[in-house]
Parts: sequence; structure tokens; C-alpha cells
Amino acid sequence: DVKVTQSSRYLVKRTGEKVFLECVQDMDHENMFWYRQDPGLGLRLIYFSYDVKMKEKGDIPEGYSVSREKKERFSLILESASTNQTSMYLCASRAHRDGYTFGSGTRLTVV
Amino acid sequence: EDQVTQSPEALRLQEGESSSLNCSYTVSGLRGLFWYRQDPGKGPEFLFTLYSAGEEKEKERLKATLTKKESFLHITAPKPEDSATYLCAVKATDNAGGTSYGKLTFGQGTILTVHP
Repeated sequence: DVKVTQSSRYLVKRTGEKVFLECVQDMDHENMFWYRQDPGLGLRLIYFSYDVKMKEKGDIPEGYSVSREKKERFSLILESASTNQTSMYLCASRAHRDGYTFGSGTRLTVV
Repeated sequence: EDQVTQSPEALRLQEGESSSLNCSYTVSGLRGLFWYRQDPGKGPEFLFTLYSAGEEKEKERLKATLTKKESFLHITAPKPEDSATYLCAVKATDNAGGTSYGKLTFGQGTILTVHP
């Protein structure tokens, strides 16, 4: 089975900190995605990548950036964390024509 | 803009009481409709993919169906372990008619609680 691993289950960061969320997949998938999930708003796409060093903005990219230096790793960066970025962050990867495989999620709290 | 609406927002059932969850969608060109199950504090777990109207998929007590405007997730004789949030998502063509790198648009989910 495909495995998508997110480095942290829970994080607490201070306002203004630079935050890195890491995601690793083990099945050589080309497409990887970062979503955030909030009550009442569902899952919203932040960024996605369709190849190494390639990235595209999703629906809510403001305040975020991403990095994909290797095919298996896709990082989400909060340049200067703010309280409105407190959320559950979900990473996913996908093979052609298949549905996503999600990681377990990182619950980030910005104080 | 692609839109996905799920109903009801929450559903409470007694064990053994069958019911259905609805997912209505508006997309420029449907390339796939996906159902996921999500347990509290965990990432969504893939259940089904449906590609064309009339298609049906089954897994244990779950059956997913698809029409040109909506999908249903039928739950037959549910058990307490079926309690979870069920998410629906669509994959659409991009403006040029290609596949938009597999981006999915999600509904807000239906929270299902099955009481013993």
C-alpha cells in the first residue's frame, strides 16, 4: 500500500515564526497536494506539485509557499505564521487516474 | 467554478437502520467522483471512484452510485464502526479540456453517527 507520511501530528508555533510541514510518499507518485481542513469549510487546496521543482497555486495559496526538490518529498512553508493559519493540514499524493492517498494530518496551532 | 454540496451535514442512525448520503456536483466536465471516509483526527481514507453515470461500486455495507448531477452513498444495516465523516470530491477537466493534474474539489462532508 502507498504510504504518505507527515512528519508531525501536532505542532504549536508562535505568531511570526517560519513553519515547515514535511510530507513524504513512498510510491514514486508524480502528483502531490497540500490541503487545509477547517470546520464548516471542508478541504481547501493550498498548493500542488506535478513534478520535481514544479508547483501550482491552489485555491488559497496566500501566506504559504512550497518546495519539491525530490520526487518523494513535498514541503509546505508558512513564511510568517499567523493565528488564522491554525488548522489541520493534509498532504496527499496520487498516481495516474487514482484517488488520493492522504497522510494522517498535522494539526497546527499558532499562538 | 466547480462545486460540490453534500447533504445532510449530519446524520444519526440506529444500528441496522439503512440510509443514504447525497453528493450533488456542478463541474465543467467530470473526470471522476470520489468518496472518502475520515475518522476523527485522521486523514481521509479512499473508498470509491466513479467515472460515469450509471456506474455503481460496493464495499461491505457501502454502495456508491452516480448520475449526471449527483452521487449517493447507500449504507445498508450500518454498525457503530461505520460512524465517521464521509467526504465526496470531484475531479474535473481544466479549461482546455485536459485533466487538471488531478486536483479534487471536496464537499464539506456528512458526519455519520450510528448508535448501538
